[in-house]
Amino acid sequence: EVQLVDSGGGLVQPGGSLKLSCAASGFTFTDSAIHWVRQASGKGLEWVGRIRSKPNNYATTYAASVRGRFTISRDNSKNTAYLLMNSLKTEDTAVYYCTRHEILGPPGDNWGQGTLVTVSS
Amino acid sequence: EIVLTQSPGTLSLSPGEGATLSCRASQSVSSSYLAWFQQKPGQAPRLLIYGASNRATGIPDRFSGSGSGTDFTLTISRLEPEDFAVYYCQQYGSSPLTFGGGTKVEIK
Repeated sequence: EVQLVDSGGGLVQPGGSLKLSCAASGFTFTDSAIHWVRQASGKGLEWVGRIRSKPNNYATTYAASVRGRFTISRDNSKNTAYLLMNSLKTEDTAVYYCTRHEILGPPGDNWGQGTLVTVSS
Repeated sequence: EIVLTQSPGTLSLSPGEGATLSCRASQSVSSSYLAWFQQKPGQAPRLLIYGASNRATGIPDRFSGSGSGTDFTLTISRLEPEDFAVYYCQQYGSSPLTFGGGTKVEIK
């Protein structure tokens, strides 16, 4: 069974940092890109960024709103992807989801349960 | 960046009725890389349609997607009680990936 488990959310002050994790199981991890998507309370979905699969050299891309502040990485030996968030702003407050896109497969067929990040003083 | 505009913002319908949701892109979506997701309160999104018209695994055939280029449609042929939710389109053909603002399908 394919499973993604997000973790690492919490309360952080503006300007602070936080690192989220996405633990994967049930599929060949290196064959999938991992995306991060966030959702502020009562708002829509916002794509944050992705780290691509092995055939695509694990390339990363980010939304303009987080570029230069957020970094996505992966540890293939642990089947885990990460979202390192620096210089956090109050507008980064949201539930963060990881989701996968298997090469040649459908996008977003599996999602984590989400982890809440609150940026507040 | 491709901007996706969904309409209407809210659709008020009764169970058994049909629903038509629209997603319009600011520029052509590459290779019809357009997906639809359903989201219920407190839950992660669920993939319904990808490649504009392909149903994801386990999705009932009352859900169908169509369109190409800049205009896409999600059709629910007969609404079941569990279909009342928010629906999002997403383009994944060019970076940055983008979502539409969502259409809420509510019980009339």
